[in-house]
Amino acid sequence: KQEVTQIPAALSVPEGENLVLNCSFTDSAIYNLQWFRQDPGKGLTSLLLIQSSQREQTSGRLNASLDKSSGRSTLYIAASQPGDSATYLCAVRPDTDKLIFGTGTRLQVFP
Amino acid sequence: ETGVTQTPRHLVMGMTNKKSLKCEQHLGHNAMYWYKQSAKKPLELMFVYSLEERVENNSVPSRFSPECPNSSHLFLHLHTLQPEDSALYLCASSQAGTGLEKLFFGSGTQLSVL
Repeated sequence: KQEVTQIPAALSVPEGENLVLNCSFTDSAIYNLQWFRQDPGKGLTSLLLIQSSQREQTSGRLNASLDKSSGRSTLYIAASQPGDSATYLCAVRPDTDKLIFGTGTRLQVFP
Repeated sequence: ETGVTQTPRHLVMGMTNKKSLKCEQHLGHNAMYWYKQSAKKPLELMFVYSLEERVENNSVPSRFSPECPNSSHLFLHLHTLQPEDSALYLCASSQAGTGLEKLFFGSGTQLSVL
């Protein structure tokens, strides 16, 4: 059974720091991995999607990497800003109709 | 504007009530999903509709009844709920078929069962 774990569960940093959020999964047989952002009481916004054949994806200050063989992904946030404060969720797609989510990392960036 | 709209945003209901959650997607997608998000737990997939056919029913109690009348609309009918059903209910859509597609989520309905 696929399980997704995110570490740390919560993170509080001053503005300007570079951050690494970790995601691990137990079964390497996945189609893709997706990182989402969720603001309190809101839905999820897709940030980056990495297909199983890819190693990384970049969007602005965000960079996500995927090491399928070791069951790991990292989300790198450069030069963090208070507006980056949110919960970050990673999810793996083990087959075409499902996404399995982690519990998320709650990030707070203070000025 | 995410392209996926959910109503209502908030709902408070008693255990004997019947209510429905509505989701509409404006993205031309052919698959829609219901997820449940409870505090400190991962998002749980409840139902998947692909091309208006239900393809996943993840051991959800019968007090939750989905309906997908067309590829743009999805409902979740609720009846005789329990307090532990209080959660954020999220709808999502995607263009299914390749296994590579992104999921787009609505803002959710925050449900409280008294």
